[in-house]
Amino acid sequence: AQSVSQHNHHVILSEAASLELGCNYSYGGTVNLFWYVQYPGQHLQLLLKYFSGDPLVKGIKGFEAEFIKSKFSFNLRKPSVQWSDTAEYFCAVLNTGFQKLVFGTGTRLLVSP
Amino acid sequence: DTGVSQDPRHKITKRGQNVTFRCDPISEHNRLYWYRQTLGQGPEFLTYFQNEAQLEKSRLLSDRFSAERPKGSFSTLEIQRTEQGDSAMYLCASSFTGTLTQETQYFGPGTRLLVL
Repeated sequence: AQSVSQHNHHVILSEAASLELGCNYSYGGTVNLFWYVQYPGQHLQLLLKYFSGDPLVKGIKGFEAEFIKSKFSFNLRKPSVQWSDTAEYFCAVLNTGFQKLVFGTGTRLLVSP
Repeated sequence: DTGVSQDPRHKITKRGQNVTFRCDPISEHNRLYWYRQTLGQGPEFLTYFQNEAQLEKSRLLSDRFSAERPKGSFSTLEIQRTEQGDSAMYLCASSFTGTLTQETQYFGPGTRLLVL
């Protein structure tokens, strides 16, 4: 069965620092990949997604992620974080032909001003 | 606001009571999903509907849980004889599947259940 690993459970950064959050999944095949974000007191929101094509995808608020098929990875990056990026970030994978999203355990990001 | 809505947002109940949650998907979305999220974990799939048909149920969904989507629009999730282990955030998501295989699920705010 598919599983998703987010190795960084808590990340603390200062404003303007660069961010990279790891995401690895276990089962290959054709996958759709997602990063969702949950800001404090808000619901899960889509940050970016990959279906096919260019493995470097850009999302909202300056985030991007790179799909590396050979490494089963979909890491999230942002060159310069802001205090408003403080949130919990979830990586999720959907194997085509199956309808359920499989989520990682999430990474809590705290950006200090 | 035309996003996914859920009601109630919070529910406190005593062990053994029945509870029912409602989810209203984004208009014209044909798929509706239920997930459960416990502290420190990501959401876990419970079940999903395509229109009014319930097409898959997770093993997490014991026989005390039942979900319906009678007219292919809103959905309800009922938990009978609640247990303390049922305490969690229950999330609803919806999506539209057209002719493409690409599908994005949009989440509601969730219903936080506390069983005392």
